[in-house]
Amino acid sequence: GENVEQHPSTLSVQEGDSAVIKCTYSDSASNYFPWYKQELGKRPQLIIDIRSNVGEKKDQRIAVTLNKTAKHFSLHITETQPEDSAVYFCAASRANFGNEKLTFGTGTRLTIIP
Amino acid sequence: DTAVSQTPKYLVTQMGNDKSIKCEQNLGHDTMYWYKQDSKKFLKIMFSYNNKELIINETVPNRFSPKSPDKAHLNLHINSLELGDSAVYFCASSRGTGYSDQPQHFGDGTRLSIL
Repeated sequence: GENVEQHPSTLSVQEGDSAVIKCTYSDSASNYFPWYKQELGKRPQLIIDIRSNVGEKKDQRIAVTLNKTAKHFSLHITETQPEDSAVYFCAASRANFGNEKLTFGTGTRLTIIP
Repeated sequence: DTAVSQTPKYLVTQMGNDKSIKCEQNLGHDTMYWYKQDSKKFLKIMFSYNNKELIINETVPNRFSPKSPDKAHLNLHINSLELGDSAVYFCASSRGTGYSDQPQHFGDGTRLSIL
């Protein structure tokens, strides 16, 4: 089955600096890679996703890059703000006609230092 | 309007009891999921249903029995609760039309504590 590794497990950055979180996956058939943000005591919320037919996607301060050859993808947050503090999860899945299964990474606790 | 709603939000009970968690989605999605998030925040899928049919069963103990009366509802019944069942259980849904790139929307979670 799919295995997703995520690094680092914790990350502290100064407000205004950039943060990068990296994930690798094992199943070369995986073709969908979402990122979720989970604030303390809240539900995971999708912040950005990328499909295997593109290498990069950007949404304001958030960007995701995908390297299919190396089987890794990364989340980039620029101009970080205190409200970016949360746990971030990467995930991977592949189309299986109704049997889609998201395999999550182990999470990165991001702390923005004011 | 809450898209994916779970009840109860908190559940505190004794070891050995039986309990149920309910989930409803009003997004018109075909697929619903149960995830378990343990104390280390690791999110792991337990079950998924597509149009009331069980699709994924991730080697969960048979004390856990999901039921989907219709595609908008997915309930989780747990028998003979054990200490290790303490976790946050999240329900989620997605369009699930056979394409994997359909975002999953999560409910607010049910925090289960076993005494």
